[in-house]
Amino acid sequence: DTGVSQDPRHKITKRGQNVTFRCDPISEHNRLYWYRQTLGQGPEFLTYFQNEAQLEKSRLLSDRFSAERPKGSFSTLEIQRTEQGDSAMYLCASSYATGPEPGQPQHFGDGTRLSIL
Amino acid sequence: GNSVTQMEGPVTLSEEAFLTINCTYTATGYPSLFWYVQYPGEGLQLLLKATKADDKGSNKGFEATYRKETTSFHLEKGSVQVSDSAVYFCALRGGGRRALTFGSGTRLQVQP
Repeated sequence: DTGVSQDPRHKITKRGQNVTFRCDPISEHNRLYWYRQTLGQGPEFLTYFQNEAQLEKSRLLSDRFSAERPKGSFSTLEIQRTEQGDSAMYLCASSYATGPEPGQPQHFGDGTRLSIL
Repeated sequence: GNSVTQMEGPVTLSEEAFLTINCTYTATGYPSLFWYVQYPGEGLQLLLKATKADDKGSNKGFEATYRKETTSFHLEKGSVQVSDSAVYFCALRGGGRRALTFGSGTRLQVQP
């Protein structure tokens, strides 16, 4: 069990640029989640996949955000035309569940810290 | 909708003191409840969980009891150590949703 891996750990970019983050979940986990955490706050849910299907998206996920999990393994989160307010820690989590049941607890990666200049 | 309220920090204690971090929640039905811990420079780690009323989760000397009558899941430890210094997050999963809803976190500082 190598844990949830996120890349890069830090990303600094200028406002208006596009950025893409990658998450590799624990290998046998079929569910993958993206959260955003700003300073002094708890993580907020963005979106969730079961295998390759994106099953839920938060209202926080504006049309500048897109997430994919093409083969049901790793996932990418892209932010287009970044804004100052996008500066945050982006967390990925994974878990295993059979069918519609809640399943096992989520395991988190160390996150990608995004800073917009 | 789901929500979690935690006591504000920072909480500053001396080593071997008793710890309580309050957590209350709002949710429909019977949510599962969790405590996650975030050590400096690290990601969130699951500390303990409880999935039904009156369940007690425990790990590393920490305990929390699922109290449905008071909608609470307070975290306790009898004797804290400097190494327990971290941010603690209370979270729930329920109301038909798979995602976690987190509180804002409570920073614990333990002094030698």
